[in-house]
Amino acid sequence: EDQVTQSPEALRLQEGESSSLNCSYTVSGLRGLFWYRQDPGKGPEFLFTLYSAGEEKEKERLKATLTKKESFLHITAPKPEDSATYLCAARDRGSTLGRLYFGRGTQLTVWP
Amino acid sequence: GAGVSQTPSNKVTEKGKYVELRCDPISGHTALYWYRQSLGQGPEFLIYFQGTGAADDSGLPNDRFFAVRPEGSVSTLKIQRTERGDSAVYLCASSLTDTSNEQFFGPGTRLTVL
Repeated sequence: EDQVTQSPEALRLQEGESSSLNCSYTVSGLRGLFWYRQDPGKGPEFLFTLYSAGEEKEKERLKATLTKKESFLHITAPKPEDSATYLCAARDRGSTLGRLYFGRGTQLTVWP
Repeated sequence: GAGVSQTPSNKVTEKGKYVELRCDPISGHTALYWYRQSLGQGPEFLIYFQGTGAADDSGLPNDRFFAVRPEGSVSTLKIQRTERGDSAVYLCASSLTDTSNEQFFGPGTRLTVL
């Protein structure tokens, strides 16, 4: 059973069209929810960590939020350079400190 | 400064052969992680080291997979008797410690088993 589920699998937006990506998790006790960006042929690049429900983090056009069961990555007025796969990962209290459970990602395409 | 580097960038081998994949972490990072990523999937945890010891190897799929980090820096992932299902991108990451928020990823090694 997947512990981290992301939706949608793929999202196409016109430049400037805001939207949200969803990440739901079923880990037994959350010890951190992470967002990464991955460009084709590269390793993931860290964006945010969230720890508790109600927490929000922002970086340029991206804002990540966390509830008790899911996280959202809001993209405001996206640009073509925001096109990438966005990965969500969870750290579980029942696992070792370094282990992360990743979702399959949302492939975002922003066209001009 | 230099990021995480992985060699080779691409490896093509035949079924049944032995392969070694190398990871050079960021200098000073004590934690090192190996993941495997298949097409259209997220990274799948394999093993991580804190220093020289494997802190968690529960993600290794079977005993054909083994990893070492003898001096607490460079790590090698070793795969014996490769199978076609082992084809994937193998990602390495490092962080200051295993409690750090941010894992810094390398570009990966694309392994193809024919």
